[in-house]
Amino acid sequence: SQTIHQWPATLVQPVGSPLSLECTVEGTSNPNLYWYRQAAGRGLQLLFYSVGIGQISSEVPQNLSASRPQDRQFILSSKKLLLSDSGFYLCAWSQGIGNQPQHFGDGTRLSIL
Amino acid sequence: AQKVTQAQTEISVVEKEDVTLDCVYETRDTTYYLFWYKQPPSGELVFLIRRNSFDEQNEISGRYSWNFQKSTSSFNFTITASQVVDSAVYFCALIAGGTSYGKLTFGQGTILTVHP
Repeated sequence: SQTIHQWPATLVQPVGSPLSLECTVEGTSNPNLYWYRQAAGRGLQLLFYSVGIGQISSEVPQNLSASRPQDRQFILSSKKLLLSDSGFYLCAWSQGIGNQPQHFGDGTRLSIL
Repeated sequence: AQKVTQAQTEISVVEKEDVTLDCVYETRDTTYYLFWYKQPPSGELVFLIRRNSFDEQNEISGRYSWNFQKSTSSFNFTITASQVVDSAVYFCALIAGGTSYGKLTFGQGTILTVHP
């Protein structure tokens, strides 16, 4: 069966510091991968998606970037964190064409001080 | 552009009550897919159901049932005989059109609290 792993679970970072969140999927190949942010425990906003290695699309302009160095690895990064980057970050995967259900990781709770 | 509205911000019920969570969607596409997700206090999103725009049959899975009505652009979710473990945030979401990826448009969620 397929599993998705996200780490770290929680992270406290000072303003201006770099960020790297990692997400890996097991048990499937060539998944679609997604990064979402959930602010204040409510609606989710799609940040990035990837349909293949090295293919990244950004949904909203922001201080963050994403990379997909391997088929089942998706990384969310920032060179300099802002206070507004605080939130709950969720990685997700789906298989095949775009109407399939997305399956989410446990999330990373990021606090910026 | 797509939009999903969950007008109920919070619902509080007592165990064993039935509860219905409302979801209204907007899209100009004739082909679209609707989803419900559950987010328990631990944070992860759990997939519950997917319906496509061509299938208006209602669905039942144990205590959960879903009512899809294209005429009112609604996809409501009912929990029968609610339990404390049903306490969570529930999200309705939409994927519209044909894309190689799935851009989920989420509603703002409904916080359901079931009291013992």
